[in-house]
Amino acid sequence: GNSVTQMEGPVTLSEEAFLTINCTYTATGYPSLFWYVQYPGEGLQLLLKATKADDKGSNKGFEATYRKETTSFHLEKGSVQVSDSAVYFCALSDNKGGSEKLVFGKGMKLTVNP
Amino acid sequence: NAGVTQTPKFRILKIGQSMTLQCTQDMNHNYMYWYRQDPGMGLKLIYYSVGAGITDKGEVPNGYNVSRSTTEDFPLRLELAAPSQTSVYFCASRLSPGQGGSEQFFGPGTRLTVL
Repeated sequence: GNSVTQMEGPVTLSEEAFLTINCTYTATGYPSLFWYVQYPGEGLQLLLKATKADDKGSNKGFEATYRKETTSFHLEKGSVQVSDSAVYFCALSDNKGGSEKLVFGKGMKLTVNP
Repeated sequence: NAGVTQTPKFRILKIGQSMTLQCTQDMNHNYMYWYRQDPGMGLKLIYYSVGAGITDKGEVPNGYNVSRSTTEDFPLRLELAAPSQTSVYFCASRLSPGQGGSEQFFGPGTRLTVL
């Protein structure tokens, strides 16, 4: 079945450091790809998405490009802030049974220190 | 819009007790989902619904039941709580593909402990 593998943490960075979180997927067809973020004590929020190959999603300084040839959707940010401390989940859409469900990676906890 | 709301926020159950986790959304979304999140793991789908009166099993449905009598509400029922059901439960909703949606919107979660 469809699956997502993402870099596991936890990861600690200093403010203004560069961030990359790797995400690769296995899927039949052409799923949409997502990055969700979970701030402490909260539910998940959509950070960005891409619906087809070569699409770039971006939001709040984060970017990710849908790479079909490498089945990847790596998340990057050039300069992280303390407020970026959160758990980041890579996910793909799976329409098995008409559910349009999300299949998640295990998540990566990021801590950014001042 | 309140979005997706869940109650309660926290609950401790004894083994064998039952309870219902409530989920309501005010965005007129047809699709609704229940996920559980175990420590260090991603979210696993328990049940989903594509509209009022229609529900179906996800990856980990054992020990749970759902109903969908209205578009807004999608309660999750635990009949005989077991320690393996200790988890954080998230409800989510989205527009159907025909309505142009792709993003799922999540509630704040219910943290359940079974002792």
